[in-house]
This record gives sequence, C-alpha cells and structure tokens, in this order.
Amino acid sequence: EAGVAQSPRYKIIEKRQSVAFWCNPISGHATLYWYQQILGQGPKLLIQFQNNGVVDDSQLPKDRFSAERLKGVDSTLKIQPAKLEDSAVYLCASSDALAGTQYFGPGTRLLVL
Amino acid sequence: QKEVEQNSGPLSVPEGAIASLNCTYSDRGSQSFFWYRQYSGKSPELIMFIYSNGDKEDGRFTAQLNKASQYVSLLIRDSQPSDSATYLCAVNLNNAGNMLTFGGGTRLMVKP
Repeated sequence: EAGVAQSPRYKIIEKRQSVAFWCNPISGHATLYWYQQILGQGPKLLIQFQNNGVVDDSQLPKDRFSAERLKGVDSTLKIQPAKLEDSAVYLCASSDALAGTQYFGPGTRLLVL
Repeated sequence: QKEVEQNSGPLSVPEGAIASLNCTYSDRGSQSFFWYRQYSGKSPELIMFIYSNGDKEDGRFTAQLNKASQYVSLLIRDSQPSDSATYLCAVNLNNAGNMLTFGGGTRLMVKP
C-alpha cells in the first residue's frame, strides 16, 4: 500500500513570495490533515478535511494560508505572501474516517529568506 | 498551560535500559492517545495508541494511561541506539473528530 505522497520535498523562497504544496493521501482515506512543524516543536494542525469538506481550520492563518481538496482526494496548501516565520516543515497526514490513526507523508521543508 | 506537555529532554539512557517517556494533557474528557516516533529529518511514525486506562504492550513498547491523573507514558524496554529519536505524544482533545494535539516531543538518546 502506497503511503502519503507530498511534493515538493524542499522549497526555498523569499519573503512575500507565494508557494504551494501538494499532498496525495493513502488510497481510500477520507480524512486529510495539514500540519506545520517548526523546528524543535511538535506538529500543529492547520486544517482537517473530511472528503472535500473542511472539518476544522481554526488554526489556519487565513489571511495568508489557504487549502483546498476539491475532489476529495489530493489537496493543495498555499501560502501567499510568505513570512520568515513560515519557515517550517509542512506535513500532510491521512486517516481512515473510521479510525483515529493518522499516517504522515515525508513533509515539505520550507525556508523563507 | 499547554494542552499536551512533554519534557523536551534530552533523556539519555544506556543501551539495554528502560526508557520512560511521560506526557500530561489538559482535557479530562480526552479518550484517544498516541505515541509517534520522529527521527531527525523524517516525518512522525506511529508507535502505539491507547484508549483505556492501564497498560498496553507491543513488543518492547508499553503505553500506560491514567485518565484520572491525565497522564500517559511510553516505556521502551531493552533500549537500542536505533531508538534514539524524538518521541511525540498526541492527544485527541475533547474527542474532536480525529484532530490530534501534539506535545513538543521528548528527545531520547540511547548510548551504546
């Protein structure tokens, strides 16, 4: 069974630029999550999707971050414009809707200069 | 008060010893608890989950849950250098869907 796929793996941008990350969950997983992990901290949930609907986005900085999962499968997370403090690893995870176990992708490392 | 707290460490143990990792959480109504391991530069991988009070064993790993004390722990027996990693405690606070709140992680170092 293929795991959660993410791309790109690394991205370096300058502040005020925009960036987008892509995630493809494990096949059949209805629930998809985006996390931000700043160096030395635990992952922080940004947004949770159930199929193509948003379950929770209370910690998503909506003035600059957006996410979509239009067809209920893969998802895109966008930052526009980026700030220095957005430098982090962006992790995508997915789970079977019937269980709480979340499986993480390899992450995208973002450096904002 | 942080919702999920862990000692950041590092916790250093000799090879073959028992490593004990601890986590406290704020919401008394939480029902689901998870331990993830994260190697440097890698993504978190699930080790164990526990829902009921008491102990749950899986190989060298034992998770312990005490809901009255709002405390969950992970014991690693016969620690190996390959166990050196950051261990993340995650809690489904308020049983809110499948949303997890993570602690900051405890860095474990197992010395040969």
